[in-house]
Amino acid sequence: AAGVIQSPRHLIKEKRETATLKCYPIPRHDTVYWYQQGPGQDPQFLISFYEKMQSDKGSIPDRFSAQQFSDYHSELNMSSLELGDSALYFCASSLVPAGGISTNEKLFFGSGTQLSVL
Amino acid sequence: KNEVEQSPQNLTAQEGEFITINCSYSVGISALHWLQQHPGGGIVSLFMLSSGKKKHGRLIATINIQEKHSSLHITASHPRDSAVYICAVPMNYGGSQGNLIFGKGTKLSVKP
Repeated sequence: AAGVIQSPRHLIKEKRETATLKCYPIPRHDTVYWYQQGPGQDPQFLISFYEKMQSDKGSIPDRFSAQQFSDYHSELNMSSLELGDSALYFCASSLVPAGGISTNEKLFFGSGTQLSVL
Repeated sequence: KNEVEQSPQNLTAQEGEFITINCSYSVGISALHWLQQHPGGGIVSLFMLSSGKKKHGRLIATINIQEKHSSLHITASHPRDSAVYICAVPMNYGGSQGNLIFGKGTKLSVKP
């Protein structure tokens, strides 16, 4: 069965560069969540999208932006990269039940993109 | 805002042992997630539960909503169970299920 696909798997950037991470949800899933996990840290929720609209926002820096496209894939754009942005970025997808009530949606996680900023 | 505490932080077991990992949270929730993370980062959702007990193979998850506590049990543990197990709950009751607060994880190592 198709899973959540993230690309690239690994990314190395220099300080002040930009990076774009991609997340392809399971087919027909309409909700995408983004998380950041620094080395030895707990994952932190960044942002989420439902039906191509931002649905929730967590601890996402202003230097980062994200969007969800018509095919429901999502991209996380990161500018002016800093050393502290080095982390594993992973996404999850879900299908919100009819009526848009999300109290029991099961999450499916991607393998993540390991970003290293040098 | 919810807070999550997991115990133990590290756990070493011999193959075949019964393992229990505990999770407590502070604010009412509609569902709790148990996740497994292997070295290299990939996260797998093991369970999402809102009441009672769920079982999948050798894994059992229980939750007590009144006590705000959940446990993950592994029966007949095996070296391939070695991973970090993470408990996660929604940040706000009734909010987006993916806006999660994660526990610090339990690093399990099962020795042959």
